[in-house]
Amino acid sequence: DGGITQSPKYLFRKEGQNVTLSCEQNLNHDAMYWYRQDPGQGLRLIYYSQIVNDFQKGDIAEGYSVSREKKESFPLTVTSAQKNPTAFYLCASSTAGQGTSGANVLTFGAGSRLTVL
Amino acid sequence: DAKTTQPTSMDCAEGRAANLPCNHSTISGNEYVYWYRQIHSQGPQYIIHGLKNNETNEMASLIITEDRKSSTLILPHATLRDTAVYYCIVRPIKANAGKSTFGDGTTLTVKP
Repeated sequence: DGGITQSPKYLFRKEGQNVTLSCEQNLNHDAMYWYRQDPGQGLRLIYYSQIVNDFQKGDIAEGYSVSREKKESFPLTVTSAQKNPTAFYLCASSTAGQGTSGANVLTFGAGSRLTVL
Repeated sequence: DAKTTQPTSMDCAEGRAANLPCNHSTISGNEYVYWYRQIHSQGPQYIIHGLKNNETNEMASLIITEDRKSSTLILPHATLRDTAVYYCIVRPIKANAGKSTFGDGTTLTVKP
């Protein structure tokens, strides 16, 4: 089945350590996104990529880094510079489409929950 | 991207229609309205989207006002499994047109 796979589902990290969250999709989508969600709050955009080897900062990019070397993969690294990294992280993808596309739907993964000890 | 405003929470009796409003007064002509829902600790799930006409699918109906500044998601016969956070977002028609911003959504609680 086509979809988005995020791993790990749960991750614990010590302060000062970098950690990388994996996001893989087999939907042949061009665009991929990373969101952060804190308890009781909505989704905030960290980074997004519309095409391989290109990505843009979202609203809360500080302390995070990404890469987009392959169409299928968009890993997120939470660096030690991120002051409050404990959160639920969601990856999404969407088709780039051509011209007008009414089906520019975001498909989400199941999420990764990061806890800093 | 245009911002959206939704009530923080709503209750609905099981079996009754749930009507969830969304205000998107700054929506531009090239943006669709999309609705998603998120059940606790899962990824958001797509429900429905529309441009200016009312839309219906197997999950819900979407009513968009003529001026497109607001919309209502209708779950015709709410069940306990519809308890979730519902997000309304606006997104450009042209795919690959950049980021989508989510607000805090509406927490819908369906009660027996």
